[in-house]
Amino acid sequence: EDQVTQSPEALRLQEGESSSLNCSYTVSGLRGLFWYRQDPGKGPEFLFTLYSAGEEKEKERLKATLTKKESFLHITAPKPEDSATYLCAVRTLPFSGGYQKVTFGTGTKLQVIP
Amino acid sequence: DTEVTQTPKHLVMGMTNKKSLKCEQHMGHRAMYWYKQKAKKPPELMFVYSYEKLSINESVPSRFSPECPNSSLLNLHLHALQPEDSALYLCASSQDWTSGYEQYFGPGTRLTVT
Repeated sequence: EDQVTQSPEALRLQEGESSSLNCSYTVSGLRGLFWYRQDPGKGPEFLFTLYSAGEEKEKERLKATLTKKESFLHITAPKPEDSATYLCAVRTLPFSGGYQKVTFGTGTKLQVIP
Repeated sequence: DTEVTQTPKHLVMGMTNKKSLKCEQHMGHRAMYWYKQKAKKPPELMFVYSYEKLSINESVPSRFSPECPNSSLLNLHLHALQPEDSALYLCASSQDWTSGYEQYFGPGTRLTVT
């Protein structure tokens, strides 16, 4: 069974204090790993797609990286407006057959204090 | 434009009511999805439509009935719901289902069943 685990569950940072969020996965047939940002009561906002180990993507203060077992979302010099829940999701196609699945992690709730 | 719209934003319904949720996208995407999200939990996939045909039904109770009238519209018909069905219902779309493209989410409909 595919498993996606995010850590930490919650993270509190001072404004400007850089850190990383982790998404580790145990899946069969990875077809893509996605990062989303979700504000309370709203739908997830797409941030990045990573397809293969070694790939990196950047957007403003965020940088996503991927290895064969995990992905990191690095946040450099965060601002209060970066406060949100960050979700990772993996799309998989089992080698044994069946259909594609998208499995979400439980998220990391980030709070950036001014 | 990466917008997915959903109506209504909020819905309160009794257990004997029939109501519908609506979703629309104009990005030319050929895959559309319904997710259910409970508080502090990740989104759970309910249905996948690919090229206007139901491709995935994640063992969802028959009181939820999806419909895809055309490539831009997705409906979710609700009937005889239970209080435990109260949740945020998210619609999403992607370029297609078989490739590893990212999903774009709407803002969601907050459903309360009384």
